[in-house]
Amino acid sequence: GNSVTQMEGPVTLSEEAFLTINCTYTATGYPSLFWYVQYPGEGLQLLLKATKADDKGSNKGFEATYRKETTSFHLEKGSVQVSDSAVYFCALDDSGGGADGLTFGKGTHLIIQP
Amino acid sequence: ETGVTQTPRHLVMGMTNKKSLKCEQHLGHNAMYWYKQSAKKPLELMFVYSLEERVENNSVPSRFSPECPNSSHLFLHLHTLQPEDSALYLCASSQDWREIAKNIQYFGAGTRLSVL
Repeated sequence: GNSVTQMEGPVTLSEEAFLTINCTYTATGYPSLFWYVQYPGEGLQLLLKATKADDKGSNKGFEATYRKETTSFHLEKGSVQVSDSAVYFCALDDSGGGADGLTFGKGTHLIIQP
Repeated sequence: ETGVTQTPRHLVMGMTNKKSLKCEQHLGHNAMYWYKQSAKKPLELMFVYSLEERVENNSVPSRFSPECPNSSHLFLHLHTLQPEDSALYLCASSQDWREIAKNIQYFGAGTRLSVL
């Protein structure tokens, strides 16, 4: 079956530090890949996505590249801010049009200190 | 504000209680979803509805009963829950339940449920 593995958190960084949150996946087909962010007290919001190999998703200074050879979709940001503190979820869709929905990782809690 | 509103935000219930969670979307979407978010576990898809018809039931215990009276409203009726059902229950909607990469899901803030 499909699965998504994320690095354990919490990840604590200082403001303006470089961020990497690792995500690797297992899927039977050619999935689409997503990063969602959940700010405190809110629901999940789509941050970025990539639908095929070598695609790069980007939004709000965050980037992730779909690496088929390493089955990875690591999230990066060059300079984090306190407002980036949230839980980040990596997810995939391999449903092929079915209703299996997204397969999520467990989430990585990011804490940015001023 | 994502356009998906869930009420109540917090709920505490005993194991013998009956309660309902409500979700309303103002986005004109045709598909709605219930997810369960437990600590240290991935989000679990519980139910999918498309135009008031259930599309998928992911082997959810019968003590959870969904209802979708119209495409804007989704309920989750709770009955005889167990303490391990304590979690954050998230509602989401999208234009269509197929082709997830094209039909982005918008999430509500969730209902934090505690079962005593």
